[in-house]
Amino acid sequence: GENVEQHPSTLSVQEGDSAVIKCTYSDSASNYFPWYKQELGKGPQLIIDIRSNVGEKKDQRIAVTLNKTAKHFSLHITETQPEDSAVYFCAAMDSGTYKYIFGTGTRLKVLA
Amino acid sequence: GAGVSQSPSNKVTEKGKDVELRCDPISGHTALYWYRQSLGQGLEFLIYFQGNSAPDKSGLPSDRFSAERTGGSVSTLTIQRTQQEDSAVYLCASTPGGDTEAFFGQGTRLTVV
Repeated sequence: GENVEQHPSTLSVQEGDSAVIKCTYSDSASNYFPWYKQELGKGPQLIIDIRSNVGEKKDQRIAVTLNKTAKHFSLHITETQPEDSAVYFCAAMDSGTYKYIFGTGTRLKVLA
Repeated sequence: GAGVSQSPSNKVTEKGKDVELRCDPISGHTALYWYRQSLGQGLEFLIYFQGNSAPDKSGLPSDRFSAERTGGSVSTLTIQRTQQEDSAVYLCASTPGGDTEAFFGQGTRLTVV
């Protein structure tokens, strides 16, 4: 089955700087990789996703890159703002069962 | 409804009691997931329902935990003889099936005293 590792577990950046969170996965057949943001007291919400036929995807200040050969994908947040402070989870979808497997999360703090 | 609804939002129970947590998925969503999130931790997979297939129960931590999904819609997670280590936020998510976005509820915060 799929296994997802996520690093770092915590990340502090100055407002305006960039933040990068990295994940690796084990199932080479996985083809869907979403990223979720969880604010305090709320359930996770999708912020961006990427499929295996695409190497990069951008949405304003957020981008995700996928390296299928190395089986890793990354979230990039540019021009960080205090409201970006949250816990971010990467996930991969097991190709056989369509079960979501989540990384362990990254707590991002943007310092004003 | 507009999203995934979970009830209750908070539950305090005494050690040894049974509890039931409810999840109302988005109408028409065939896949439903339960996760457990301990304080400051990640999302621990518990169980996954997909359509009429047998559920994937591989994440249930012990036989005190069970879940059912009636009529392909509402799901109930039951924890019998609760222990203090069961204290956590229990999150439910649903998807239309396949490789698509999962929509999460707000969670049920369970505290076992």
